[in-house]
Amino acid sequence: AQKITQTQPGMFVQEKEAVTLDCTYDTSDPSYGLFWYKQPSSGEMIFLIYQGSYDQQNATEGRYSLNFQKARKSANLVISASQLGDSAMYFCAMSSNFGNEKLTFGTGTRLTIIP
Amino acid sequence: SAVISQKPSRDICQRGTSLTIQCQVDSQVTMMFWYRQQPGQSLTLIATANQGSEATYESGFVIDKFPISRPNLTFSTLTVSNMSPEDSSIYLCSVEGTGPTEQYFGPGTRLTVT
Repeated sequence: AQKITQTQPGMFVQEKEAVTLDCTYDTSDPSYGLFWYKQPSSGEMIFLIYQGSYDQQNATEGRYSLNFQKARKSANLVISASQLGDSAMYFCAMSSNFGNEKLTFGTGTRLTIIP
Repeated sequence: SAVISQKPSRDICQRGTSLTIQCQVDSQVTMMFWYRQQPGQSLTLIATANQGSEATYESGFVIDKFPISRPNLTFSTLTVSNMSPEDSSIYLCSVEGTGPTEQYFGPGTRLTVT
């Protein structure tokens, strides 16, 4: 069975600073995918970034990067130069077989950006 | 990226009634997923719906309570039957993207059962 752990229920960060959201995972699958989603107060789930288990390079998408440490089973999300609009819930999730499979979600981290 | 719409966006229903939620995608997809997000909680998968076959339900969810239809590759419905206040949640449908590295969610349906 897959499990995602997010140990930070809430974080407060000053605007323009970088922030790291922690995510650790557990799985027995040799192939898997790791996802990060942002959920603003409106409730929609916004896809941010993806990392495959065999990817050699850390994924990056604009201000988002994923710090993938396979041996430690961690997939932390790094947001550079935080903005007020980054305030939201952030969920880490994983799937087996890289993707196109059901997702298992962590409990989420509520990020608040302070002006 | 896939564009997904859900209807209704929100509803308030009385206990004992049923609500059918629709999910429409702008492109053909093989797999569609239905998730539930109870207040203040994370997302939990209800079932996976493939076109032309019965939906596959996760532990704790049964077809009698959450019947699902998948008549074609762009559409699916989830019915929440015989509702109780505990069914008050956001219900989201999700689909694969153009490649295996993406999964997209609809805007969700906020259901309140009184």
